[in-house]
Amino acid sequence: RKEVEQDPGPFNVPEGATVAFNCTYSNSASQSFFWYRQDCRKEPKLLMSVYSSGNEDGRFTAQLNRASQYISLLIRDSKLSDSATYLCVLNTWGGGNKLTFGTGTQLKVEL
Amino acid sequence: GAGVSQSPRYKVAKRGQDVALRCDPISGHVSLFWYQQALGQGPEFLTYFQNEAQLDKSGLPSDRFFAERPEGSVSTLKIQRTQQEDSAVYLCASSLPGAYNEQFFGPGTRLTVL
Repeated sequence: RKEVEQDPGPFNVPEGATVAFNCTYSNSASQSFFWYRQDCRKEPKLLMSVYSSGNEDGRFTAQLNRASQYISLLIRDSKLSDSATYLCVLNTWGGGNKLTFGTGTQLKVEL
Repeated sequence: GAGVSQSPRYKVAKRGQDVALRCDPISGHVSLFWYQQALGQGPEFLTYFQNEAQLDKSGLPSDRFFAERPEGSVSTLKIQRTQQEDSAVYLCASSLPGAYNEQFFGPGTRLTVL
């Protein structure tokens, strides 16, 4: 079983739609969690960190459920420019701050 | 300011050739990471340096892979006797020291082994 599991998609949604991505992880010792965005043939870039209390950044909301080992990302009012691959990422400190990535979920926002 | 840079951006090698991939981290970032990203997959950890010390090389797939950072700045990932399965994008990232600091990624080197 992979340490981080994501639905690879693609998710094809119309502009303005709300879309949600989910991710599960298997290592209960994982200590910090992130969503990264990766555009086609580009490097991953940090989108947002994920906290148990939930956090919001504009149209983006992230949530962590430690008991269920589950992370989510909600994108409201999606834009064409949101089209990308969204990577669920965790960090288990003690491993030198190395990041463990999911396979990524591809989002395509269409007119 | 300057981000992480990597060179070459693209490399084509014949099977059996040795290759060397370079990473220039952000100035002042003592932590440096190498990741391998195969097509359609997320990046996978290869190795980690803090300054010149290689603290974790658990992700290196075989003894054909070797990384160094002799002066605690620029790093080189070397792959000896390349195989087709080594074809991937090799990403370098750097960060400030300590837990939970954001890692900044370079543009990667796309290696194709024929």
